[in-house]
Amino acid sequence: GDSVTQMEGPVTLSEEAFLTINCTYTATGYPSLFWYVQYPGEGLQLLLKATKADDKGSNKGFEATYRKETTSFHLEKGSVQVSDSAVYFCALIENYGGSQGNLIFGKGTKLSVKP
Amino acid sequence: DAGITQSPRHKVTETGTPVTLRCHQTENHRYMYWYRQDPGHGLRLIHYSYGVKDTDKGEVSDGYSVSRSKTEDFLLTLESATSSQTSVYFCATRGSSYEQYFGPGTRLTVT
Repeated sequence: GDSVTQMEGPVTLSEEAFLTINCTYTATGYPSLFWYVQYPGEGLQLLLKATKADDKGSNKGFEATYRKETTSFHLEKGSVQVSDSAVYFCALIENYGGSQGNLIFGKGTKLSVKP
Repeated sequence: DAGITQSPRHKVTETGTPVTLRCHQTENHRYMYWYRQDPGHGLRLIHYSYGVKDTDKGEVSDGYSVSRSKTEDFLLTLESATSSQTSVYFCATRGSSYEQYFGPGTRLTVT
């Protein structure tokens, strides 16, 4: 079945460091891909998305490019801040007629940014 | 934000008791979801609804039931709570572009 694999955490970085969180997927069709962020004590928030190959999603300095050839959607940020400390989830939705459009999540990667 | 509230936000209950969690949305979204979040498992889908009185099972539906009598409300019931159902429960709705919007969560402890 469809699945999403994320790099294991936790990831600890110093402020202004470069961030990469790896995400790869397995899907039958041509999924849409998402990154969600969960700040401590809160629900998940959509961070960015991409709906087709080579699309780049971006928001709040974060970027991810939909790579069909490597089935990947890695999250990057050039300079992290303490306020970026959170858990990040990669997710997909299958885009085909028989799909109910349910999200399939990775297990999440916890990021801690130190001042 | 999709205006999603969950109640209660925290609950402690004893094994064997019934528990109902409520999700309320103000966006008139057709699809609604219940997830549970556990360390090492990420989010797992329990049940979802694609309209009033239309529901279906997710990945981890055993021990849970749901009801949706109005567009805005989606109830999750644990008929007889067990310690394995101690978790954080999230409700979500789906927008027009398949993105999902999440509520703040309910922390349930079964003793």
